[in-house]
Amino acid sequence: TQLLEQSPQFLSIQEGENLTVYCNSSSVFSSLQWYRQEPGEGPVLLVTVVTGGEVKKLKRLTFQFGDARKDSSLHITAAQPGDTGLYLCAGDGQKAGNMLTFGGGTRLMVKP
Amino acid sequence: ETGVTQTPRHLVMGMTNKKSLKCEQHLGHNAMYWYKQSAKKPLELMFVYNFKEQTENNSVPSRFSPECPNSSHLFLHLHTLQPEDSALYLCASSQLRGATEAFFGQGTRLTVV
Repeated sequence: TQLLEQSPQFLSIQEGENLTVYCNSSSVFSSLQWYRQEPGEGPVLLVTVVTGGEVKKLKRLTFQFGDARKDSSLHITAAQPGDTGLYLCAGDGQKAGNMLTFGGGTRLMVKP
Repeated sequence: ETGVTQTPRHLVMGMTNKKSLKCEQHLGHNAMYWYKQSAKKPLELMFVYNFKEQTENNSVPSRFSPECPNSSHLFLHLHTLQPEDSALYLCASSQLRGATEAFFGQGTRLTVV
């Protein structure tokens, strides 16, 4: 079983602060994705990382894929209330077929 | 209409009822999925359909019965469910090339009473 562990599970911060969320596994993934889910909605894809060591930026969000393609991090600079939500990482594993393994998620609350 | 659409958004059903969840994707994708999202548990993959053929049944109880008549439509037929089946049921679609980037519907919030 390929497990993805996310930390922290919960994070409550003030507007303007920086934060980092982690996604770790003992398995190697061919690609890894980050999603954000708001209450009552489905997850929305933010980014896909494919190459070990890859860094992608999406405005104030910076995503990094570990060199060994087993872990990833999401860093948010100057968080805003609109960043509030559940952040999920998902790995595209080595199993045949197109099946994603999801982490348990980090629930972020940014207070104004 | 664009993206992935799920109906109904909310469903309350008794343990002896039979109901169906519907999903439609307008993205031209060739793979569709059913996921279950429960409180305090990671998203669980239930079923995978590639080119409308089922390729994965992730040990899902037979009281959940999927149907994929074509690459754009996916159903989940429900019968004799249990209260612990209450959850958010999410449909997703993706292309079958490159990284598996899933596009999700808004989900059906199911409550079994």
